[in-house]
Amino acid sequence: DSGVTQTPKHLITATGQRVTLRCSPRSGDLSVYWYQQSLDQGLQFLIHYYNGEERAKGNILERFSAQQFPDLHSELNLSSLELGDSALYFCASSVVAGPNEKLFFGSGTQLSVL
Amino acid sequence: AQTVTQSQPEMSVQEAETVTLSCTYDTSESDYYLFWYKQPPSRQMILVIRQEAYKQQNATENRFSVNFQKAAKSFSLKISDSQLGDAAMYFCAYRSAMNAGNMLTFGGGTRLMVKP
Repeated sequence: DSGVTQTPKHLITATGQRVTLRCSPRSGDLSVYWYQQSLDQGLQFLIHYYNGEERAKGNILERFSAQQFPDLHSELNLSSLELGDSALYFCASSVVAGPNEKLFFGSGTQLSVL
Repeated sequence: AQTVTQSQPEMSVQEAETVTLSCTYDTSESDYYLFWYKQPPSRQMILVIRQEAYKQQNATENRFSVNFQKAAKSFSLKISDSQLGDAAMYFCAYRSAMNAGNMLTFGGGTRLMVKP
């Protein structure tokens, strides 16, 4: 168990809908990363938050947004869902944001858009 | 932008034997970190081993070791005495030491099968 909790584990929804994925980092970790794993795109970085502030954006669609709350948990909001958004969404956390910091990954949220 | 390439979509090894997974990367940076992650059927990403680019010595973690060739931009993973529990997807990843976001760039993965 990495200590990073993601909910829900599975989510099935329809095209055009909006969903929220939740991530609780390890206790004390200030840094949260979101990644998307899909069959055609592989593992891609979406966004990074550190202590409530956005630090970097990757290949995140405009339909997607995220935030990190004062208690350090993070949410990834996906709207106007399309079939191609079906993927495994990972959250990872670390104490700080340094490159040598070990990342701890959650078990992911499997999103299926029908 | 950095890219990471894993040229072997699938590999197979006999239990107790040794297998090497290949990874190459492209970067113009001199300071970075390289990682191998394991993703078993449980889906969780587990760090196997990491290498700092400024270190010439290859990293080792028990049965796992790397062959880091900085000039060739190659970072292979050797698994010795393979066990059934090693069966998983393995991802090579790059992380810049200078990028503020310090995100990981992953390769496409190699599926390792271990035969009893």
